Amino acid sequence: DGGITQSPKYLFRKEGQNVTLSCEQNLNHDAMYWYRQDPGQGLRLIYYSQIVNDFQKGDIAEGYSVSREKKESFPLTVTSAQKNPTAFYLCASRTLYNEQFFGPGTRLTVL
Amino acid sequence: DQQVKQNSPSLSVQEGRISILNCDYTNSMFDYFLWYKKYPAEGPTFLISISSIKDKNEDGRFTVFLNKSAKHLSLHIVPSQPGDSAVYFCAASPVPPYSGAGSYQLTFGKGTKLSVIP
Repeated sequence: DGGITQSPKYLFRKEGQNVTLSCEQNLNHDAMYWYRQDPGQGLRLIYYSQIVNDFQKGDIAEGYSVSREKKESFPLTVTSAQKNPTAFYLCASRTLYNEQFFGPGTRLTVL
Repeated sequence: DQQVKQNSPSLSVQEGRISILNCDYTNSMFDYFLWYKKYPAEGPTFLISISSIKDKNEDGRFTVFLNKSAKHLSLHIVPSQPGDSAVYFCAASPVPPYSGAGSYQLTFGKGTKLSVIP
């Protein structure tokens, strides 16, 4: 059963801590993406990766980091440099049709 | 500068009637457009797409219309059902499917919350 999984579903972080959000896909897609959604806002692109060992900054990359060591995995680290990290984070992967399929999301809350 | 605009934050429609969700874009390089549906605390679900070489695409109750000269697209849902109540996002890409090039980034609108009243 192919799809995208994100974990955890809910994450709480103390100020000054780094946290890592997991994203795994078994769709054999080359490209993967991380977005952030805030209330009343669209999806804003944080980072994307077209292929293993390569990634590019999106529109709001400051305070975030990523790695792409495996095709299936694209973890996102929210660092202490991210000033307003409380948000809903979505991971996606892309088909050859240029359709992006999304995971269920992780809600991060800073305490 | 918002390149994809959904000017109606919300829309209420009676069950069985037509829902029309609108989207405008400013970037003339956009070549491929998608609609997503999103329930609270879930990831968006792909609904339907349209390439700029077409002006209409249908899939069951969902039809997307594209007017390139007006830089406008719309999603029609008919008949509307209570389960259609969700936030709908319009997205655009400068890269068509299978082009083999480009960054394939999607630019999203802010969404329209559709409420279908039984």
